[in-house]
Amino acid sequence: QKEVEQDPGPLSVPEGAIVSLNCTYSNSAFQYFMWYRQYSRKGPELLMYTYSSGNKEDGRFTAQVDKSSKYISLFIRDSQPSDSATYLCAMSAGDSSYKLIFGSGTRLLVRP
Amino acid sequence: ETGVTQSPTHLIKTRGQQVTLRCSSQSGHNTVSWYQQALGQGPQFIFQYYREEENGRGNFPPRFSGLQFPNYSSELNVNALELDDSALYLCASSTGTSGGAGVKTQYFGPGTRLLVL
Repeated sequence: QKEVEQDPGPLSVPEGAIVSLNCTYSNSAFQYFMWYRQYSRKGPELLMYTYSSGNKEDGRFTAQVDKSSKYISLFIRDSQPSDSATYLCAMSAGDSSYKLIFGSGTRLLVRP
Repeated sequence: ETGVTQSPTHLIKTRGQQVTLRCSSQSGHNTVSWYQQALGQGPQFIFQYYREEENGRGNFPPRFSGLQFPNYSSELNVNALELDDSALYLCASSTGTSGGAGVKTQYFGPGTRLLVL
């Protein structure tokens, strides 16, 4: 079993839809939770960062962390075709290297 | 753009050969982490260098090795290439302290795509 599980998709939605992306994890030591966006042939770009449980909002993006359920979510409101990309969740236990453990990514396609 | 650059962008090697990949950190960053991303997968942590010393290693064999230079740029070396080494290799730079690498400030470069035939 992988430490971080993420549905690979693809997820296809019409422009303007609310998108929900999710990850589950098994390691209770994870304290730092991130969402990255990766366009084709590019490196991952940090979208959202959350420490421990709770919600965080930034523009059209909202990140939620439920440590009791070991479940994290990213919501995208008013989705745009430019949001079409692969979304990667990543987590860290905050050990000395703060190494990131990634999910396998969800491909999102927003149709005009 | 993050300011992290990697070279080369693409590389083709044959099985058994050796390869060196390079990463130039964002200005002011003293920590570099390397990740391997196979097609359709998330990045996997290879190792990290903080102030020229290895500061953590993932589940990769010793034929994966690295260096960090005084200007904080870095190299990833892979010996005895295998077909499964074909992947996108990413470096991420950050501002670390003796206690850690600054988890929320890891900025990724565009990657080097390696194909092993």
